[in-house]
Amino acid sequence: DAGVIQSPRHEVTEMGQEVTLRCKPISGHNSLFWYRQTMMRGLELLIYFNNNVPIDDSGMPEDRFSAKMPNASFSTLKIQPSEPRDSAVYFCASTPRPGPDTEAFFGQGTRLTVV
Amino acid sequence: GEDVEQSLFLSVREGDSSVINCTYTDSSSTYLYWYKQEPGAGLQLLTYIFSNMDMKQDQRLTVLLNKKDKHLSLRIADTQTGDSAIYFCAEGVRNSGYALNFGKGTSLLVTP
Repeated sequence: DAGVIQSPRHEVTEMGQEVTLRCKPISGHNSLFWYRQTMMRGLELLIYFNNNVPIDDSGMPEDRFSAKMPNASFSTLKIQPSEPRDSAVYFCASTPRPGPDTEAFFGQGTRLTVV
Repeated sequence: GEDVEQSLFLSVREGDSSVINCTYTDSSSTYLYWYKQEPGAGLQLLTYIFSNMDMKQDQRLTVLLNKKDKHLSLRIADTQTGDSAIYFCAEGVRNSGYALNFGKGTSLLVTP
């Protein structure tokens, strides 16, 4: 398996534009997580899906952020409109099932720069 | 979530042992994890420890857990330059499908 695949790897956009980040989890994994990494705040959980259903979105910072998982093999994180403070590395991770004894596999991340 | 605390930087010489310390927040955490992040890459699970264990050894890695003090440490024996990376301590958050609550990471620099 190729692992968790995220695209694009880098995104530079102007303030106010819509940004869509994409994630393909490992085949057969039922849980998917979006994290954001910044120098100031470290890694923060944004949203968690189980079996394509959003379970916990309490980490989504504002209404400008939305995430979908239309099927088991694809998820998107959208920011509209984007702001400079959204600049960060966004990671997607998947696990075979919810539970403490499962390893989370991370994608390479998308480095977003909003200018 | 509440803060998982780690020191931010550690520098060691090649061949020495490295010890990275962490304090976590949730006394009910059943698993605690160490992840490694190399530059420009995602996070990779290094090892984890179940909360009813005091110690776990895996090749050059030793994890020590003190539940009373909620203190976790990662020891890397015979540290190599390839071990230079950021190391994250994490606890699983039960209410979020055991999503990970990470510390801010410790940057380990190994010098020749």
